[in-house]
Amino acid sequence: QSALTQPPSASGSPGQSVTISCTGTSSDARGNDYVSWYQHHPGKAPKLLIYEVTKRPSGVPDRFSGSQSGNTASLTVSGLQAEDEADYYCTSYAGRHSFGVVFGGGTKLTVL
Amino acid sequence: EVQLVQSAAEVKKAGESLKISCKGSGYFFDSYWMGWVRQTPARGLEWMAIIYPADSDTTYSPSFQGQIAISADTSITTAFLQWTTLKASDTAIYYCVRGSTTGWARFDFWGQGTLVIVSS
Repeated sequence: QSALTQPPSASGSPGQSVTISCTGTSSDARGNDYVSWYQHHPGKAPKLLIYEVTKRPSGVPDRFSGSQSGNTASLTVSGLQAEDEADYYCTSYAGRHSFGVVFGGGTKLTVL
Repeated sequence: EVQLVQSAAEVKKAGESLKISCKGSGYFFDSYWMGWVRQTPARGLEWMAIIYPADSDTTYSPSFQGQIAISADTSITTAFLQWTTLKASDTAIYYCVRGSTTGWARFDFWGQGTLVIVSS
């Protein structure tokens, strides 16, 4: 089964920008248009931040943005705020006849 | 307002069976894919399976195929996740998630999670 690799941790000071990467490790997860990002505060349900690489659901601040280059997708959080401290997960979808949906291992974002 | 409300936490013994639920409201339940995601400290979030309630079209992750069963009852707008034989390694938080009407590339609404504890 394919996998998505994320750094285990990232950090930044309030007001700074931080970028979290998500690298696909199989042909199914490379250059995929169906990358999503989720924010997960412990004890709460995860929240969809980004879908289809760059799109934001309504209500998600434009401080959160997504991009992709080759087999690596990225989430950038600009103007860091204390409430951005959370775990962030990427996912890739390659169709039901492939691996379906796979989650990255998650990145713990710390706001210093 | 879209809501996914899951059943309460469960404490079970290894070898027992279990069925947990997720009731959807505020949208047309039949037409949105509904899935399940597992959360554990060791493995983070893992996608388990998904179902289209209108026709019960179902897909399982290879990692969970044969270990679980999912179903949906459109008359009560509720999806289910069940085990026939629980193992200690099934201890986790389980989230139900809503896909879209056309697929499951994203999960835009999540239930509050159901904690399942299985003692060995």
